[in-house]
Amino acid sequence: DGGITQSPKYLFRKEGQNVTLSCEQNLNHDAMYWYRQDPGQGLRLIYYSQIVNDFQKGDIAEGYSVSREKKESFPLTVTSAQKNPTAFYLCASTVGATQYFGPGTRLLVL
Amino acid sequence: GENVEQHPSTLSVQEGDSAVIKCTYSDSASNYFPWYKQELGKRPQLIIDIRSNVGEKKDQRIAVTLNKTAKHFSLHITETQPEDSAVYFCAASTKSGGSNYKLTFGKGTLLTVNP
Repeated sequence: DGGITQSPKYLFRKEGQNVTLSCEQNLNHDAMYWYRQDPGQGLRLIYYSQIVNDFQKGDIAEGYSVSREKKESFPLTVTSAQKNPTAFYLCASTVGATQYFGPGTRLLVL
Repeated sequence: GENVEQHPSTLSVQEGDSAVIKCTYSDSASNYFPWYKQELGKRPQLIIDIRSNVGEKKDQRIAVTLNKTAKHFSLHITETQPEDSAVYFCAASTKSGGSNYKLTFGKGTLLTVNP
């Protein structure tokens, strides 16, 4: 777990603003994932990437975008099209079956 | 796609009692089933996992059982302690390409262990 970092810990978004959440890993893992966590909803998959310069939509991709220009980095942008962005965002990386999570970013709307 | 149902959503036990959390899954191709523990405001941490070629796995006070025919798996915690209080998530996994997997999570169980 210590090899995955997320920043910032808290992020405030104004109406109509795009914000970017950072996720970095030094575990040399191929695959990286973004999840959204709401109370009582479990973890829902937003996007995932299995290799550099390639990514796939998860179950709730609308209003979000990602890039994977480097193996270590998988930033998530919450766009103005995401009308209800308040949630806890978790990044994970994996090699094989086991996923390891970062500490999370809590996004709040002003 | 895969659908994972988890029950109960909340569970309260007395210290020293056992706790059981159950999950069902829909995709018969799922072959890896991890359990995560998440304390308030923290990241989920893997506590135990099981693969589809195994029926049961134990690690000290924690055990997981898998019934592939019925498509359900369970987490058993014995001799519960207050520090076991957390939200527990089950997940089911299928290969998403190459050697990597895609997890589908249950909605979680809030376990409270009362001293």
